[in-house]
Amino acid sequence: KAGVTQTPRYLIKTRGQQVTLSCSPISGHRSVSWYQQTPGQGLQFLFEYFSETQRNKGNFPGRFSGRQFSNSRSEMNVSTLELGDSALYLCASRRAGVQETQYFGPGTRLLVL
Amino acid sequence: AQSVAQPEDQVNVAEGNPLTVKCTYSVSGNPYLFWYVQYPNRGLQFLLKYITGDNLVKGSYGFEAEFNKSQTSFHLKKPSALVSDSALYFCAVRDDGGANNLFFGTGTRLTVIP
Repeated sequence: KAGVTQTPRYLIKTRGQQVTLSCSPISGHRSVSWYQQTPGQGLQFLFEYFSETQRNKGNFPGRFSGRQFSNSRSEMNVSTLELGDSALYLCASRRAGVQETQYFGPGTRLLVL
Repeated sequence: AQSVAQPEDQVNVAEGNPLTVKCTYSVSGNPYLFWYVQYPNRGLQFLLKYITGDNLVKGSYGFEAEFNKSQTSFHLKKPSALVSDSALYFCAVRDDGGANNLFFGTGTRLTVIP
């Protein structure tokens, strides 16, 4: 079974631009979560989507948004990019059920200049 | 509120020796605990989890973890380290407020010396 895939793998943007990242979950997984990883803040939860609905949101500004499509694929958007948004953005998918494991994709590395 | 602590930023061990990566947690209610490993330029790979049941949990690649409720610890162990085990290890706990997101420790870099 194919794992979680994320595109693109690498991205360079300039301040003020916006960016959209994509995540395709493991087949059969309906939950998709996004995390930001930086050297200073570590791994931080952004949001979770389940059946096209945002279930939970972390402590990030409104510039960070996401959505999920009917096929469970998810996109994450960051508007008005800041230098501090440079990070590895990780997507994770899991089956429904509170005890299910989150499986992570390889991440998208975003560099904001 | 839940939290996870990994007290060691770096652990060095000789190849063939046993290894331990430490993790302590704080949650209200029953803990759901996880270990993940990250290799350079890669995402997180799931190693093992504790939900309920036996305190010794066996996972991938020969790793195991011991859940200790009285010490609120969930240390990762392996009897014999390999050079290929060198990586960044993260302990995580599920949100204890009912959501499914994970809270991660700061990570421990394991270096296995040949």
